[in-house]
Amino acid sequence: DSGVTQTPKHLITATGQRVTLRCSPRSGDLSVYWYQQSLDQGLQFLIHYYNGEERAKGNILERFSAQQFPDLHSELNLSSLELGDSALYFCASSVRPISGGGELFFGEGSRLTVL
Amino acid sequence: AQSVAQPEDQVNVAEGNPLTVKCTYSVSGNPYLFWYVQYPNRGLQFLLKYITGDNLVKGSYGFEAEFNKSQTSFHLKKPSALVSDSALYFCAVRANNFNKFYFGSGTKLNVKP
Repeated sequence: DSGVTQTPKHLITATGQRVTLRCSPRSGDLSVYWYQQSLDQGLQFLIHYYNGEERAKGNILERFSAQQFPDLHSELNLSSLELGDSALYFCASSVRPISGGGELFFGEGSRLTVL
Repeated sequence: AQSVAQPEDQVNVAEGNPLTVKCTYSVSGNPYLFWYVQYPNRGLQFLLKYITGDNLVKGSYGFEAEFNKSQTSFHLKKPSALVSDSALYFCAVRANNFNKFYFGSGTKLNVKP
């Protein structure tokens, strides 16, 4: 158990809909990263938050947004869903060390199916 | 710019034989390198990391990785493969500012009895 909790584990919805994925990082970790994993595109970095502030954006669509709350949990919002958004969405957390280390700890993912 | 490459989509090895999963990297500055394993429908699990020091890094489940600066490689190894090692393996490099982790495309390891 990595200590990172993601809900829901599975989600089935229709095109055009909006969903929210939730992530609780490990206790004490200030950094939260979101990744999308689909069959043909591997692991794609979406966005990184550190202590409530957005720090980096990757290949995140404008239809997607995220935030990190004061209690450090994070939410990824996906709107106007398309069939191609079907994927596993992972959250990972990390401590920000003074030097070295800083490995990511992943949750079990949220599997989104868009029909 | 930081990046990692895993040149093999799939590696097949017989149980009991040594295994190697290859990774090459490109970084500016000091490399911070990681290996992760993913079992079907599960999250990625951290195996090991190289930050500095000894070029041979030991990690979980008997895995080790060899850092080679001149060849910019960080290959994952295990002396004797188990069927239960069959999974998807990812190499990753961390940006110096901690803001991004770059993952390779993954290598599927098949260990046959």
